[in-house]
Amino acid sequence: DSGVTQTPKHLITATGQRVTLRCSPRSGDLSVYWYQQSLDQGLQFLIQYYNGEERAKGNILERFSAQQFPDLHSELNLSSLELGDSALYFCASSSGANNEQFFGPGTRLTVL
Amino acid sequence: GNSVTQMEGPVTLSEEAFLTINCTYTATGYPSLFWYVQYPGEGLQLLLKATKADDKGSNKGFEATYRKETTSFHLEKGSVQVSDSAVYFCALTRGNAGNMLTFGGGTRLMVKP
Repeated sequence: DSGVTQTPKHLITATGQRVTLRCSPRSGDLSVYWYQQSLDQGLQFLIQYYNGEERAKGNILERFSAQQFPDLHSELNLSSLELGDSALYFCASSSGANNEQFFGPGTRLTVL
Repeated sequence: GNSVTQMEGPVTLSEEAFLTINCTYTATGYPSLFWYVQYPGEGLQLLLKATKADDKGSNKGFEATYRKETTSFHLEKGSVQVSDSAVYFCALTRGNAGNMLTFGGGTRLMVKP
C-alpha cells in the first residue's frame, strides 16, 4: 500500500459527459501528479500541483482540468468526454525531496 | 525533449532464467532514473532508482546501473520467479526534485514455471 488513495476505482460514463476523479496524497506529501495510461499513448504525465499551486503541465487536453485543495487532496476534472479518453488515470504524490513518486491504484475510466 | 526507450515485449522466460530488459534514455542535464513495476490490476510500484552516473540501484534481486556514457539503465535479475510476471517501466526525471516522470513504453515479462 503506497498510502495514496484514489476514488472511484472504476467509472463508466457516456460520451459528452463530465467526471471528477479524486486523489488523496500520502500524509505529508505536498506534490500531486496526474498521469494517464492508455493502450495507444502509454503512460503520460498530465499535470502537477505543489501545495495548491500548479507546478507543471504535460500533455493535458483543454477539456481536462485539475486542482489541489488546502487539505492537499486533488481532483482531476474531465469534460466533454470522448471514446479516446478511456484509460487508467493514476495519481502520484511526493514530498519533493528526492524525486520519488508513490502511485495510487488508479481510476479506470470507460467512456461508452 | 526527454524520452525513454525500452525493449518491446513480451519477454517470456522460464523460472530461474536470467533477465535483462534494456532501457536507454535521452535527456539534457543529469536525470534521475527509475524502474517501476506494475502487477496485473494494480498501480505502479517503485522497484529501484539511481540518481547519478555509475550508481547501482537494487531491490528484490533486481539491479540496474546508471551508465551515462551509453545513456542506459538496463534492468537485470539473475533468477526470475513466476511472481515476477508483470509490466516493467523505465522512467526518468530531470532537474530539481519533484519533476514529472517520463516513461518508456513498458515491457511485459511472463515467467513460466
